[in-house]
Amino acid sequence: GEDVEQSLFLSVREGDSSVINCTYTDSSSTYLYWYKQEPGAGLQLLTYIFSNMDMKQDQRLTVLLNKKDKHLSLRIADTQTGDSAIYFCAGGRGGATGRRALTFGSGTRLQVQP
Amino acid sequence: GAVVSQHPSWVICKSGTSVKIECRSLDFQATTMFWYRQFPKQSLMLMATSNEGSKATYEQGVEKDKFLINHASLTLSTLTVTSAHPEDSSFYICSASPGPRQETQYFGPGTRLLVL
Repeated sequence: GEDVEQSLFLSVREGDSSVINCTYTDSSSTYLYWYKQEPGAGLQLLTYIFSNMDMKQDQRLTVLLNKKDKHLSLRIADTQTGDSAIYFCAGGRGGATGRRALTFGSGTRLQVQP
Repeated sequence: GAVVSQHPSWVICKSGTSVKIECRSLDFQATTMFWYRQFPKQSLMLMATSNEGSKATYEQGVEKDKFLINHASLTLSTLTVTSAHPEDSSFYICSASPGPRQETQYFGPGTRLLVL
């Protein structure tokens, strides 16, 4: 099965950029996702990247994928206090017969200091 | 956008009782839904894959007789925790993906279960 690893904690100042890193083991993962979880809440899909892409940008979010190193990162520009949350990366494989479950990393707690 | 709801959002029950959690896709049909479990400060662990009209597929170590899953329609899957014990206390989250061409999965808001 797939293993997905993340650093546990990141602290940044408001207005700085945040970079959250993730490594995965299964090179056949078709899609890689970033989810945000606020305290006591469910998961919010932030963005995802298809495995044949190197980069995807969506407003303040930039996802970089290095397939050779199996490394995924999420950059949040101009980080705000509302970005404080736990960020999970997850890998999954699509399939013609249906959706596949996701394998999640341990989550990175982002703390934004005013 | 695709919305997945869960009910109840949180529940407290006595040890030995059963609790049913509902997962609904509100604006799309989902042939497959997934049930995850999250312990405090930990990641999500897949419990089972719920397929409409057929038996659920459980992950290794998950007791199918304890965690009963029913996927009665294309918009509803239920998870019943039978004879709940304090160690079953956790955050249960379901997810679903809309349509055969959609690879993204959308998650419900989760159900927090506390067994006394």
